[in-house]
Amino acid sequence: NAGVMQNPRHLVRRRGQEARLRCSPVKGHSHVYWYRQLPEEGLKFMVYLQKENIIDESGMPKERFSAEFPKEGPSILRIQQVVRGDSAAYFCASAGGAEAFFGQGTRLTVV
Amino acid sequence: GQQLNQSPQSMFIQEGEDVSMNCTSSSIFNTWLWYKQDPGEGPVLLIALYKAGELTSNGRLTAQFGITRKDSFLNISASIPSDVGIYFCAGQIGGSEKLVFGKGTKLTVNP
Repeated sequence: NAGVMQNPRHLVRRRGQEARLRCSPVKGHSHVYWYRQLPEEGLKFMVYLQKENIIDESGMPKERFSAEFPKEGPSILRIQQVVRGDSAAYFCASAGGAEAFFGQGTRLTVV
Repeated sequence: GQQLNQSPQSMFIQEGEDVSMNCTSSSIFNTWLWYKQDPGEGPVLLIALYKAGELTSNGRLTAQFGITRKDSFLNISASIPSDVGIYFCAGQIGGSEKLVFGKGTKLTVNP
């Protein structure tokens, strides 16, 4: 994963709670992508961020989901009032140029 | 949205066989990347291609950036059981930094 750190690796939340997923990109990388993956399916683009800017959020659900990549600290994907359908693996990818490197993902389970 | 068609969707082969998969698009790409995802893990970058016509190898893997810049293929020679996984193509469309992903090719290798 070339140094892309995601935490937690596994997260269990009850319906209605909030989930916060963190991604620390490769040192020096200024771009982060977030993807969602259901079992046996491909990667679905959610959001593309540069430090302090959202470049493309066309894959983000209109409600309950938000993402940020502050000047200091990790990128955060936040899901409010989680529902069972939010259960999935969430991957971030860190890019400093034409190549992107993925973290190991956070597996969110909503019970 | 941008379309990136990856085929085949899945492949079942015998150990020792060669494998070929490809991605095509109606848009011109500046970069093609090939990733492999093992079960429960994040995608790992296998090969990156930057120029039309470029042919690059990584062990038993060979990938090419199509001359029209609208396609790329990945070949795996003499497959082994650990080649099992999902292979994704990705690329940057001309004029954009955003990575676009294919839906993946799921490879099963029978010993």
